[in-house]
Formats: sequence, C-alpha cells, structure tokens
Amino acid sequence: DVKVTQSSRYLVKRTGEKVFLECVQDMDHENMFWYRQDPGLGLRLIYFSYDVKMKEKGDIPEGYSVSREKKERFSLILESASTNQTSMYLCASSWSGRRDEQYFGPGTRLTVT
Amino acid sequence: GQNIDQPTEMTATEGAIVQINCTYQTSGFNGLFWYQQHAGEAPTFLSYNVLDGLEEKGRFSSFLSRSKGYSYLLLKELQMKDSASYLCAVDMGTGGGNKLTFGTGTQLKVEL
Repeated sequence: DVKVTQSSRYLVKRTGEKVFLECVQDMDHENMFWYRQDPGLGLRLIYFSYDVKMKEKGDIPEGYSVSREKKERFSLILESASTNQTSMYLCASSWSGRRDEQYFGPGTRLTVT
Repeated sequence: GQNIDQPTEMTATEGAIVQINCTYQTSGFNGLFWYQQHAGEAPTFLSYNVLDGLEEKGRFSSFLSRSKGYSYLLLKELQMKDSASYLCAVDMGTGGGNKLTFGTGTQLKVEL
C-alpha cells in the first residue's frame, strides 16, 4: 500500500513565522507535489518536483519555496507566513508516467493568526 | 488561459444513476483524471482518460471527448457511501510525469 504522510494534521502559526510542512512517501515515487485546497477554489498546485534536488513552480508559487534533498521527502516552506496562507495543504506523489495517478497525503490544516 | 468547469453540487437517490460533467479549456492536454474526496479525507484516484470514449470500471465510468473539451463521470447503482466531492483534473504538463489542474469539484449528496 502506498503511503504518503505529512508531519502534522493541524498547525497554528503566527504571522511572520517561518513554517515547514514535511511530506514523506514510501513508494520510491519520482514525482512529488504540493497543493493547497480552499473552499470554492479547489486544489491548486504550488510546487512540484520530478526528481531529487529538482523543483518547478506550479500555478501559485508566490510566498512559498520547496526543498527535495532526498527522493522520499518533499518540504514546503512558508518563509514569512501570512493570514492568506491559512489553508489545507495536501502533498501527493506519483510514478513518472503521464497516466500515473497521484497519491495524496491526509493534509495539514494550517491556520496563520 | 485554463478553465475547468464542474457543477458545484448535485443530489441523487440511492440506487439511481448520476452523471457529473466537466468541461475544460486548456492550453495543453495530456489526459483527464477523476478523483473522489470524502469530507475530511484525501482525494483518491477514480479514473483516467486520454483517448476519446468510455472507460468502465465497475460502478464508475468516465467519458472523454477531446474535440469538445468535455468529460463526464457516470456513477451507477448509487450508494450512500458515494456521497463525496468529485474532482475533475486535466494534465497540462510538458515535462516528465503529470501536472494537474483541478476543477473546483462537484459535491454529490446521495439520499434515501
């Protein structure tokens, strides 16, 4: 069974703090993704990675950065958290084929106050 | 630009058939995915279409017309556990692997 785990289910941070969201997958997947999910806006891609040390911007990368030092781990970093980054953050991973499904983690509900 | 449209909500009766539509206007197209998401849970994969036509998988089927920018998900013999959000996603990636753009999802409520 594919397992994608995220470091926290719930997180509360203050405006201006640096926030790290960690994602680990155990299936040796090449691809990893970070999304945020907001009511009425759906899932939006923040960053993705097709290989170790490689990253590409998604549709809404502003205010975020990522790190992929090991194949199984993909971190999302909020350099200076803001209230508009309050959201549900979902990590996903997949094999490298075009038709390969993405497997999602359980999500981290981040609240920035 | 890219635009993916789905109805926001649908209601159907247990045992019935429901069709959830998805239309898209995108700059590139490498395939279309459907995911199911129960409240408070992660999305899970349902189906993938890249060629025109119908793909059947048990009670669920998905159809694609590339020329019309249109897909639908058909759910037969509805069960209460099918109450969930259904997400249409288009792969517009140009590199290795898929890069998905999601619609806002269709919330399906199955009633007795």
